[in-house]
Amino acid sequence: GESVGLHLPTLSVQEGDNSIINCAYSNSASDYFIWYKQESGKGPQFIIDIRSNMDKRQGQRVTVLLNKTVKHLSLQIAATQPGDSAVYFCAENRGGANNLFFGTGTRLTVIP
Amino acid sequence: SQTIHQWPATLVQPVGSPLSLECTVEGTSNPNLYWYRQAAGRGLQLLFYSVGIGQISSEVPQNLSASRPQDRQFILSSKKLLLSDSGFYLCAWSALLSSGTEAFFGQGTRLTVV
Repeated sequence: GESVGLHLPTLSVQEGDNSIINCAYSNSASDYFIWYKQESGKGPQFIIDIRSNMDKRQGQRVTVLLNKTVKHLSLQIAATQPGDSAVYFCAENRGGANNLFFGTGTRLTVIP
Repeated sequence: SQTIHQWPATLVQPVGSPLSLECTVEGTSNPNLYWYRQAAGRGLQLLFYSVGIGQISSEVPQNLSASRPQDRQFILSSKKLLLSDSGFYLCAWSALLSSGTEAFFGQGTRLTVV
């Protein structure tokens, strides 16, 4: 659904701890998912993606998990660093290449 | 390599004035192009997307319009700005594929309507 009217949820973690950011989606036709990181005043930047034929994908310090049964997506950041502080968005592609719908976003704050 | 340019970076406009934000993409052909708006502390709202020259789809009814006069140029316009048009506007592109692919974003334009 639309995320425009919702305030961003927040997550605070200690430096060095692992972070888990969650995202729920509603469209069972969605077949491609992306996590973006947005720093203040900048455009979102790609972190990692996953297609619906997978349930887990790993990158450098990040892991995305996809649970299609409950329509849930999560981003795990290992050994969180101060530079990870940002707003994180999940985005879903609802079939076809012509659209990308974003979740509410979560503001991650890393405490030194 | 592909790059996306969006300008201006910031803009302050009076209510009732026109708007024109421009976005261009380099290093790719036939991209999908998108305009998103982000209100302060909020998520991203898809406003328009385009799959080709002159082809514009609108996701939400609003005071804005979009045009794609060239393959790699996407313009966001308004004839008369409203206070509610204030926000952070982001242009993005993605490759034209049959399945989903990531979108690459410009640096955004912060519009303040006064």
